[in-house]
Amino acid sequence: GESVGLHLPTLSVQEGDNSIINCAYSNSASDYFIWYKQESGKGPQFIIDIRSNMDKRQGQRVTVLLNKTVKHLSLQIAATQPGDSAVYFCAENDRPYNQGGKLIFGQGTELSVKP
Amino acid sequence: ETGVTQTPRHLVMGMTNKKSLKCEQHLGHNAMYWYKQSAKKPLELMFVYNFKEQTENNSVPSRFSPECPNSSHLFLHLHTLQPEDSALYLCASSQDSYQETQYFGPGTRLLVL
Repeated sequence: GESVGLHLPTLSVQEGDNSIINCAYSNSASDYFIWYKQESGKGPQFIIDIRSNMDKRQGQRVTVLLNKTVKHLSLQIAATQPGDSAVYFCAENDRPYNQGGKLIFGQGTELSVKP
Repeated sequence: ETGVTQTPRHLVMGMTNKKSLKCEQHLGHNAMYWYKQSAKKPLELMFVYNFKEQTENNSVPSRFSPECPNSSHLFLHLHTLQPEDSALYLCASSQDSYQETQYFGPGTRLLVL
């Protein structure tokens, strides 16, 4: 069955370094992927998304890379700051966009930024 | 803030109580969702409403009863819950249920004793 999972449950980085959070997916039909950030005591916050017709998309200090060949998604955070400390979730849709569907969430990676 | 609010933020209830969770979105969206978030587990979709009509019930026990009186409000009525129902309950909204970008509220932390 479909699943979305993360390679590492925790990631610790030094302030100012770049962070890379990885995600694997198994559903070849997925054509939409999204990253969320969840800080302690808050709901998930949208960070960035990408459709399967793209390999890379950049936002403010964040970049999402999609490798459809190996079904791998990554979130890169440049110059990581203490405020980036949170749990990061990836999610994919379980059916293509034009067939509706719902988001399937990964377990999450906890990012800890050391000052 | 995401434009999605939830009340209460924290709730403690006994197994025989009846309570309701409320969600309101100020984004003009047409789809609303309830998710359950348990420790160390991925988000679990519970219900989906699109234009006030329920379009998804993800095999949720009947002790959870959703209500969507209009596109801006969503309720989750709780009765005779079990301790394993203790979790963070998140509400989300999107433009419609075929637009995948969902915006979440802060959640209600529920403890069932």
